[in-house]
Formats: sequence, structure tokens, C-alpha cells
Amino acid sequence: GNSVTQMEGPVTLSEEAFLTINCTYTATGYPSLFWYVQYPGEGLQLLLKATKADDKGSNKGFEATYRKETTSFHLEKGSVQVSDSAVYFCALSPGPGNQFYFGTGTSLTVIP
Amino acid sequence: GAVVSQHPSWVICKSGTSVKIECRSLDFQATTMFWYRQFPKQSLMLMATSNEGSKATYEQGVEKDKFLINHASLTLSTLTVTSAHPEDSSFYICSPPVAGVGDTQYFGPGTRLTVL
Repeated sequence: GNSVTQMEGPVTLSEEAFLTINCTYTATGYPSLFWYVQYPGEGLQLLLKATKADDKGSNKGFEATYRKETTSFHLEKGSVQVSDSAVYFCALSPGPGNQFYFGTGTSLTVIP
Repeated sequence: GAVVSQHPSWVICKSGTSVKIECRSLDFQATTMFWYRQFPKQSLMLMATSNEGSKATYEQGVEKDKFLINHASLTLSTLTVTSAHPEDSSFYICSPPVAGVGDTQYFGPGTRLTVL
């Protein structure tokens, strides 16, 4: 079956610290992988995605590489800002027309 | 731009009442709509899939008589929570499936339901 396991939070970092949020998955076939961000009181926003092995998704300083050998899609950012405080969800889609499977979410708080 | 809207964005209701949530696709036609719910501090879980012109399919454990889903047209899907109870308080999100790999997956902005 399909599932996503995500590093539990909450995570608290100082501004400019390095961020890693681990995400591993199980899937049948060749899924696409995503990171979504949810700010307080708002809906999901796509942060980045990768559709095949070894692809690297990147956006706003965040990066994640689709690693088929380790079934991972870890999210990283070299220097976090206070404005990055949000909940981050790792997700996979088995393919077009299919539902998304989400991790449990990781709450990130960045302090000045 | 954003192509999926939901109404209302917030709703507070008394226990025992029914609440209807609308999900509209603004710039395209959707024959299918996924409905997810997100309990506080938990992840999104698919609860049901609406299909235009046919019955919705529900995930295991979701009461179809309580969560009525209607896909009235190619641009409108509705979720009605009947006889709501406090445990139904959640964030409900709709999302149409994409047609191709790499296509942008849109999610509605969500409806936060609080049942008193």
C-alpha cells in the first residue's frame, strides 16, 4: 500500500539555523512526492515536488531530493527565517487521478 | 491562479444541525472531487470521493449517511454534515484529481467546522 512517515515535531529552531525534516514513504509503482506547507488558519500550499527518482524539487530556499533507494524525500533549508514557521506535510501521489497520502505533519517554529 | 474555492471558510453550528460545504472548480470541469478532513494536530485523510452523475465512494469508517456528498455539476461538489456533533469538528478540504503527471494539484482553501 501507500503511506508516508514523517518526522514528528514540533521543531523549534533559531533564525538562520539549518532545517531537516525527514520523510520516508512506501508505495506501489512510481509515485510523485510533494511537500506542502500550511500556515496558521490557511489551506495547503505546494512548496515543492518531484515526479521521478533523483529529481530535486526546490522553492524559496527549500530543497528535497527523491531518493528511490532509500524511499525518502527529506526537506532541507540552509537558513530558516521566522516567516518559515508553519506546519509542513510530506505527501505522495501514486499518479494522475489518485488521492494524495499525507504524513502527519511537522510543526516548525523559528525564533528570532 | 487558484482554481478551487470552498464556501464557507468558517462555520460554527450547534450540535444536531446540518452544515453544507460547497466546493467549486473555477476554471475547469471536475468529474471527480476528493474530500479530505484534518482533525486538529493530525494529517489530512481522504474521507470520500464524489463523482459527477453517480454515487460517491466513501473510505472505510466514514458514515455515508452522515456525510452526504453530491456532485451536482462539473463545477460543484457539496459535502453536507448531517446532525453534526462536536467530534465532527474538523478542517474539510476538497481537491480534484489531476489528469497528468506533473500537473499542479490544487486544494481548496478548506472549511473549518466547529460544532458546539
